[in-house]
This record gives sequence, C-alpha cells and structure tokens, in this order.
Amino acid sequence: QKEVEQNSGPLSVPEGAIASLNCTYSDRGSQSFFWYRQYSGKSPELIMFIYSNGDKEDGRFTAQLNKASQYVSLLIRDSQPSDSATYLCAVILSGSARQLTFGSGTQLTVLP
Amino acid sequence: GAGVSQSPSNKVTEKGKDVELRCDPISGHTALYWYRQSLGQGLEFLIYFQGNSAPDKSGLPSDRFSAERTGGSVSTLTIQRTQQEDSAVYLCASRSSAGTSGSYEQYFGPGTRLTVT
Repeated sequence: QKEVEQNSGPLSVPEGAIASLNCTYSDRGSQSFFWYRQYSGKSPELIMFIYSNGDKEDGRFTAQLNKASQYVSLLIRDSQPSDSATYLCAVILSGSARQLTFGSGTQLTVLP
Repeated sequence: GAGVSQSPSNKVTEKGKDVELRCDPISGHTALYWYRQSLGQGLEFLIYFQGNSAPDKSGLPSDRFSAERTGGSVSTLTIQRTQQEDSAVYLCASRSSAGTSGSYEQYFGPGTRLTVT
C-alpha cells in the first residue's frame, strides 16, 4: 500500500463546475497535509495546507480533512481553464524529518 | 519577497561526469529540502537540512549523491559519476523554523532539469 494515494485521473470538469480531488494516506499519525498545484514544466506551488479535522476555505479552494478516515480532499469551486494542472497531495508522516511524502498527482482539465 | 532560487535551470551532462546543483532558500528559512521528480518515481525526498543540525540523508539513493549547506543558507547538491537514471528535475524547498505555530509549509524553487546523456 502506498503511503499517499491519489486517483491519477485524468479528471475533466466543465468550466464553472466544482472539481473534487481526493487523497488517502496510510499513516494514522500524520498531522500535516498539503495540496500543491503543478503546471506542466513548472515546479509545485503550495495552494492549501490543513492541520485540523474539518474544512479550510481559501477563495475558491476548500481543503477537507478527516483523520479518522485518513482522507483529505480539495474542492475547487467555479473551476476555470487556468485551474488545469496536476494537483499533488502531500503528507508529513509521523516520525519523519518533516519531509513531504507525495501522492502521484491527479491531472485536472477544466473544459471551456 | 524573493522565493527559492535554483541554478542552473537546465543541465546536460555526459554519463560519468560530476554535477553541482545550487539552491538559495527564502531568506530567514532555516529548513531546506532537496527532492527529485522523475517520470517513473514521482516526487521523492532526498535530503533535509535544519539549522546547524546534522542533515537527514535518508532519502539519498546512493553514495554518489551528497549535499552541503554553507552558513545555514545556500545549499549545493552534488552528484558524482552521473548515470542516465539520475536524469530528473531536482527541486529545492525551504520552510521557516520547525514547528513554529505548527508551520510546516514548504515552498519550492523552479528546479534544475538534469539530463545525463
């Protein structure tokens, strides 16, 4: 079992719709969770982080964390073509040097 | 303010040569990480520096890889006797003081694309 798992996609949504990206993790002791956006040929860009159970909203982005289910998700409301990118879920595993362990990423395409 | 910078942006080298990759973290960030991103392996951790502590080298794939951080700021990743499987994008990230207010966010530089021919 991979430590961080994401559906690789690709995921396509129409412009204006809600895009839902999901991530599960195996380490129950994990406390810190991140979503990075990566455009083709570019480096990962931090867009959300969440440390507590529940929802965290920032503009059109909402991160949701459920530690009991070991599940973290990212919702993008009013999706725009400029949101088309690969979204990487990253987790800091317990007992680590606080390095990020990444999922394989979900490729999102927002269709105009 | 300025973000993480890396140089060179691209590096093409012949198999067997040594290469040095540089990372300049965000000013004031005490933690610095190197990662590697390749098609087959995704994004993987290589090494971590925190202040003046001994680095965590647990992610280095072989003893051909080494890194140092001088003066708690700039870091250099060195790959000796490069192999074709070393071809990847090498990414550097930095973070502010460990554990301060639960702040663990890492910010990436633009990366160095290494191609070993």
